[in-house]
Amino acid sequence: NAGVTQTPKFQVLKTGQSMTLQCAQDMNHEYMSWYRQDPGMGLRLIHYSVGAGITDQGEVPNGYNVSRSTTEDFPLRLLSAAPSQTSVYFCASTPSGRTADTQYFGPGTRLTVL
Amino acid sequence: AQSVTQLDSQVPVFEEAPVELRCNYSSSVSVYLFWYVQYPNQGLQLLLKYLSGSTLVKGINGFEAEFNKSQTSFHLRKPSVHISDTAEYFCAVSLTQGGSEKLVFGKGTKLTVNP
Repeated sequence: NAGVTQTPKFQVLKTGQSMTLQCAQDMNHEYMSWYRQDPGMGLRLIHYSVGAGITDQGEVPNGYNVSRSTTEDFPLRLLSAAPSQTSVYFCASTPSGRTADTQYFGPGTRLTVL
Repeated sequence: AQSVTQLDSQVPVFEEAPVELRCNYSSSVSVYLFWYVQYPNQGLQLLLKYLSGSTLVKGINGFEAEFNKSQTSFHLRKPSVHISDTAEYFCAVSLTQGGSEKLVFGKGTKLTVNP
């Protein structure tokens, strides 16, 4: 199993551009989530999904959009990039939505917005 | 508000020395507790977790943590560290808020092991 994969690994955008960060998992996990990691801030939840067709907002959802058309894929869209969105983005999955589950993280996407 | 506090943002130690990374949380209800490790330029991976039962939890790479309910702490320890333990360590706590479960991460502790 590849686990959780993310593409691209690095991306540089200009302010106002849009892009999609890709996330896929091959473990048949129902629950997937997106976090952003900023220095000294830890991980903050952006959006999550408890299954195909179901998504919800996390702690810092503004400026991001998600959809979940399949169990495997959970893309994150930046609608109009801003410098404040410069961060490292991690996708994670768990077998169910229970917080007792282990989170499986992807390798991350490092995004810079100029 | 319920939260997770990692008391040290950076911890430098020498190789083969013992280390303790501290984590405190604020909650009056039962919780699940986790430690994740992030090696440079990688994603996070689980070190260990406490769900119930014995308060001393053993994880991978020789790490262990002890759940102390009265002090609301879950400190991570290793008796003898290696250079390869250099990484950032995150404490995470699952909390129940408003009837829904939520996983909250601490801000991380950067462990640097020097030769």
